[in-house]
Amino acid sequence: DTGVSQDPRHKITKRGQNVTFRCDPISEHNRLYWYRQTLGQGPEFLTYFQNEAQLEKSRLLSDRFSAERPKGSFSTLEIQRTEQGDSAMYLCASSLLRAETQYFGPGTRLLVL
Amino acid sequence: SQELEQSPQSLIVQEGKNLTINCTSSKTLYGLYWYKQKYGEGLIFLMMLQKGGEEKSHEKITAKLDEKKQQSSLHITASQPSHAGIYLCGADLLNRDDKIIFGKGTRLHILP
Repeated sequence: DTGVSQDPRHKITKRGQNVTFRCDPISEHNRLYWYRQTLGQGPEFLTYFQNEAQLEKSRLLSDRFSAERPKGSFSTLEIQRTEQGDSAMYLCASSLLRAETQYFGPGTRLLVL
Repeated sequence: SQELEQSPQSLIVQEGKNLTINCTSSKTLYGLYWYKQKYGEGLIFLMMLQKGGEEKSHEKITAKLDEKKQQSSLHITASQPSHAGIYLCGADLLNRDDKIIFGKGTRLHILP
């Protein structure tokens, strides 16, 4: 399967713990996006990379959030000192070039207790 | 306020019936995307529209972008249980070809 993959699919953590999610985009896709989706809402943009460069970060991405794409391939999203409000589905998407369709992964569902 | 409004919020239809979902924006839609999502899963790409008046079809699903590029509709003909799920419209509202702004989604239930 050559689609976008995300790991883990589910994560339960206690408030105050750090968590890290991984996204592997479709091979050769230059752009990689992170979105967050809460119950009953559409996905909200967090940040995106073109190759290894992080080009934009949403105001939703507080100082506790950091994303990397060190070699322009996979990406990680880390949340430090998790809060209950961080509970959501974290979605990753990739696209080949600008104006190209974004293909989404299955998401990582985070529950902060 | 929500930049993209979807209507209805939820829809229950009898199997075999046709249905339409709408997506409206107060801004120009430079790229309009339709995705489908099953509960707890990722988004499945359906169609992308860019030109005013454009219409695309895939199997029994047809999507249109109006001439003014501020409204799109998704029409399903002869609905089937496999069509059940959440339909999300998303758009490039800034003409920058990067992030997608999504509506809240329309939850579609199909009664057998």
